[in-house]
Amino acid sequence: QKEVEQDPGPLSVPEGAIVSLNCTYSNSAFQYFMWYRQYSRKGPELLMYTYSSGNKEDGRFTAQVDKSSKYISLFIRDSQPSDSATYLCAMSASSNTGKLIFGQGTTLQVKP
Amino acid sequence: NAGVTQTPKFQVLKTGQSMTLQCAQDMNHNSMYWYRQDPGMGLRLIYYSASEGTTDKGEVPNGYNVSRLNKREFSLRLESAAPSQTSVYFCASSVDRADTEAFFGQGTRLTVV
Repeated sequence: QKEVEQDPGPLSVPEGAIVSLNCTYSNSAFQYFMWYRQYSRKGPELLMYTYSSGNKEDGRFTAQVDKSSKYISLFIRDSQPSDSATYLCAMSASSNTGKLIFGQGTTLQVKP
Repeated sequence: NAGVTQTPKFQVLKTGQSMTLQCAQDMNHNSMYWYRQDPGMGLRLIYYSASEGTTDKGEVPNGYNVSRLNKREFSLRLESAAPSQTSVYFCASSVDRADTEAFFGQGTRLTVV
């Protein structure tokens, strides 16, 4: 079993829909949680970062971490065709290294 | 604003051939990483370097070697390529803390036939 599990999709939604992307993990030492967005044939780019449990909001994006359930989520409100990409969750246990463990990535398509 | 630059962008190798993937960053980052990305597998860490002169194995190091040539450059070498190494390879760099962004290159698409 992988340390981080993510439903690969693909997920297809109409423009304006609310999208929920999720990851589960098994390592209770993970404290740093990120979401990266990857457009086709490009490298991933950091979208959201959260430390420990709680919520973080940035515009149309909200990241949630539930450490008791070992579950993290990314919500996208009012989804746009430009949100079509692969979304990867990533996690780290140590504060003094940038070494990340990634999920498999979920491919999202937002249809106009 | 080059960021992380990888060369080459595409490569086809025959089984048993060797090659080196090059990576350079201009952000003065201490840490550099090599990942591979396969369908349904996400990004998997091959090797990383926390600072100049140090390297450590990641999740999938077998069949690869790395060299941290200086603070800017981190190369990945395939000594005897195998079809199982067909993948997209990404180099990344970051400040050496977990709460900072990792910056990725554009990737190298490698096919081993």
